Order: sequence, then structure tokens, then C-alpha cells
Amino acid sequence: QKEVEQDPGPLSVPEGAIVSLNCTYSNSAFQYFMWYRQYSRKGPELLMYTYSSGNKEDGRFTAQVDKSSKYISLFIRDSQPSDSATYLCAMSDDKIIFGKGTRLHILP
Amino acid sequence: GAVVSQHPSWVICKSGTSVKIECRSLDFQATTMFWYRQFPKQSLMLMATSNEGSKATYEQGVEKDKFLINHASLTLSTLTVTSAHPEDSSFYICSAPARLAGVGGNEQFFGPGTRLTVL
Repeated sequence: QKEVEQDPGPLSVPEGAIVSLNCTYSNSAFQYFMWYRQYSRKGPELLMYTYSSGNKEDGRFTAQVDKSSKYISLFIRDSQPSDSATYLCAMSDDKIIFGKGTRLHILP
Repeated sequence: GAVVSQHPSWVICKSGTSVKIECRSLDFQATTMFWYRQFPKQSLMLMATSNEGSKATYEQGVEKDKFLINHASLTLSTLTVTSAHPEDSSFYICSAPARLAGVGGNEQFFGPGTRLTVL
């Protein structure tokens, strides 16, 4: 089992819909959880970070961490075409581990 | 926030030549920086950890003599691809951890990446 599992997609949703992106992991030692957005041919950009379990909200983005299930989620409300990108989950205890990324397309 | 820059943003070189890529932390100090390689539609692959004042730590399967890393100061790490070949063509990205105010962990901030094409 890989340390971090993330569905590569692509995921296509209509503009305005709620998007749900998820990752599962196997290492219970992970304490820090992050979501990055990467546009084509650009470096990843930090979107959200969470320590331990719980929810965190920032504008249209909500990050959830469920350590008991080893499952993290990123929700995007009122999705926009500009949200079209690859979203990578990442988690760390000592070393940071990335998911493979989910390609998201928001259809106008 | 924490800003990481890379130079150059893209480079084309002939097979057999060497290419140097710089990674700088602009508004914070980084004793550690990370170098990643990303092939099209693939995830980030950690190549090595760059440590200021000491030798870099390479991931399994990464040739340390081919990918030379020098972390000369607290704000600069360089990656030199020696005797580059077409299979080295990729998107190279660096990152550095920075502790954000009010948060206990070290978040990774990425540079914009360097696209290397070896002819």
C-alpha cells in the first residue's frame, strides 16, 4: 500500500458546483496535512494547511482531516473555471509525502 | 508569505552539456531545501534534500554525481545537471520549508519551476 493515495482524475464538474477532492494515507504518524494547487507548467501553490484533525475554511475552500479514518478532503464551493488545475494533497511528520494529484476541470 | 524563486524558468541545452538551476528563498532563510522532478502529467518526485553547509541527501535511484547540489547559503541552493541527456528533460522544482505565523508546522513553499529541454 502506498503511503498516500489520490485519484488522478480527471474530474470534470460544471461551473458553480461543489467539488470534493480526497486522499487516503497509511502512516498514522502524519500530523500536518496540506493541499496544493498546480497550474500547468507552474510550481505548486500552497492552498490549505491543517494540523491534526478537524476542519479549516478559507473563502471557498474547506479542508477536512479525519485521522481516525486516515482520510483528508478539500471542498471547493461555487467552483470557477479558474479553479481548473491539478490539486495535490501532501502530508508530513518528518518528511513530506505528496499524492499524485487530481486533475480538475471546471466546465463553464 | 514565503516566496521561493528559481532561475532560469526554462532552458534548452545540447546533449552532454551541464545546466545549473538556482533556487532562492527571497524573504526567509532555509537551512533545508528540496529538489523535485516532475514529468508531464505525473506527480512530484523528490530527488534530493539540500542541506546548508553539508552534503545533500539523495533519494534512492538518483545519481548524486549527475545531479550536483550545492547549498551555499541560507537562501540559495543550486542543482547542476551534469552531462545532460534527452531523458533528463523534465520540470525541475525546488521547495523550502517556512514556519508560518501561528502554525506549528513547516509548510513547503515551491519555486515556479524550471523546464529543462535537452536536445
